[in-house]
Amino acid sequence: EPEVTQTPSHQVTQMGQEVILRCVPISNHLYFYWYRQILGQKVEFLVSFYNNEISEKSEIFDDQFSVERPDGSNFTLKIRSTKLEDSAMYFCASSDRRGGGYEQYFGPGTRLTVT
Amino acid sequence: AQTVTQSQPEMSVQEAETVTLSCTYDTSESNYYLFWYKQPPSRQMILVIRQEAYKQQNATENRFSVNFQKAAKSFSLKISDSQLGDTAMYFCAFLRDRGGADGLTFGKGTHLIIQP
Repeated sequence: EPEVTQTPSHQVTQMGQEVILRCVPISNHLYFYWYRQILGQKVEFLVSFYNNEISEKSEIFDDQFSVERPDGSNFTLKIRSTKLEDSAMYFCASSDRRGGGYEQYFGPGTRLTVT
Repeated sequence: AQTVTQSQPEMSVQEAETVTLSCTYDTSESNYYLFWYKQPPSRQMILVIRQEAYKQQNATENRFSVNFQKAAKSFSLKISDSQLGDTAMYFCAFLRDRGGADGLTFGKGTHLIIQP
């Protein structure tokens, strides 16, 4: 069964450094998303991406964040200058509206630790 | 803005029992979808079940079923014949029908523990 993959599974970085989190969505999916989950808290939407541009973004997704689909398979989230409060689990998800469904399938997540 | 409320931070039941997790939501939208996701200790988010707001019939997936009360804005999850592998965080989620562009709005979750 196709699945969303994410790399790395765990990233440790120093405050102020740039990080890039990578995702490979399910191949025939058209919509891509990033979410974050701070430990012990609920999952929060960051951004959605469709047709090579941002569709929606939350208040969390400020100028420190950017997303890109550099090729036909990868979808990346970049944090330009990490802060301690960016430490969280970051989930990538994808969905395919064809067929009428809106299920979003999640990857296993990247745990980001900012020291 | 949409809100999702899960009022039970933690629940514990014996294996083989039936358990119901509660979820209420608030929205002014008329077209939307509701989901339950399971998050085991691995922290992977696993889709459990989906409900379209325009459907009156409650969704069912094997041992999992929902009680969708649109007027009351309630969406509870029933797990029948609970198993040890059902131990996990369960998140209720809301999605506006905006053509796939929207993100999910999640509740804070219910930690379900299945005791042997």
